[in-house]
Amino acid sequence: QQQVKQSPQSLIVQKGGISIINCAYENTAFDYFPWYQQFPGKGPALLIAIRPDVSEKKEGRFTISFNKSAKQFSLHIMDSQPGDSATYFCAAYLLGNMLTFGGGTRLMVKP
Amino acid sequence: KAGVTQTPRYLIKTRGQQVTLSCSPISGHRSVSWYQQTPGQGLQFLFEYFSETQRNKGNFPGRFSGRQFSNSRSEMNVSTLELGDSALYLCASSMDQETQYFGPGTRLLVL
Repeated sequence: QQQVKQSPQSLIVQKGGISIINCAYENTAFDYFPWYQQFPGKGPALLIAIRPDVSEKKEGRFTISFNKSAKQFSLHIMDSQPGDSATYFCAAYLLGNMLTFGGGTRLMVKP
Repeated sequence: KAGVTQTPRYLIKTRGQQVTLSCSPISGHRSVSWYQQTPGQGLQFLFEYFSETQRNKGNFPGRFSGRQFSNSRSEMNVSTLELGDSALYLCASSMDQETQYFGPGTRLLVL
């Protein structure tokens, strides 16, 4: 019930392409869905987040799409750049509990 | 504001020893959470402290413990270290649980 499944585990995209990372959850009580970006040697940093009453949220080149009925959400990185190469984690939050993280996606953007 | 700081950044211990890691949260944040990050298991929640009280606990053995001081600084302790405890230990601070700000982590190697 608390699991968040993330795919793919790794992703290679050409510079300028679109990177898409998907997550699925089971517990419909989750009410906050953040994405974190982690560079080697650093802690994860909050990238963008969405609540289930919104179907899409965009911040610059990063967009979250949320499908409540399918219990899925995804991160789209438009015009992907080599500097976006990092590990991305989706997460889900349940009030009173802690964040449950997906397994992570290692993104490599080739120049 | 200064970010979350963790000390030490790197640590090498041998099996059977114990270790104490320290975390200073962002000023004003009263919630401090600890996570273990490994390549195989991803990001796993250890425990959360709020106002010096453990508020949430993950599924880790009793060898893993923590505490929080009145200034919100937190420490975690691992006793009787095992090889499998080698990991990146991340501390995160928060005002509202759902938005976590991570430190750079302490990389622990158990030999």
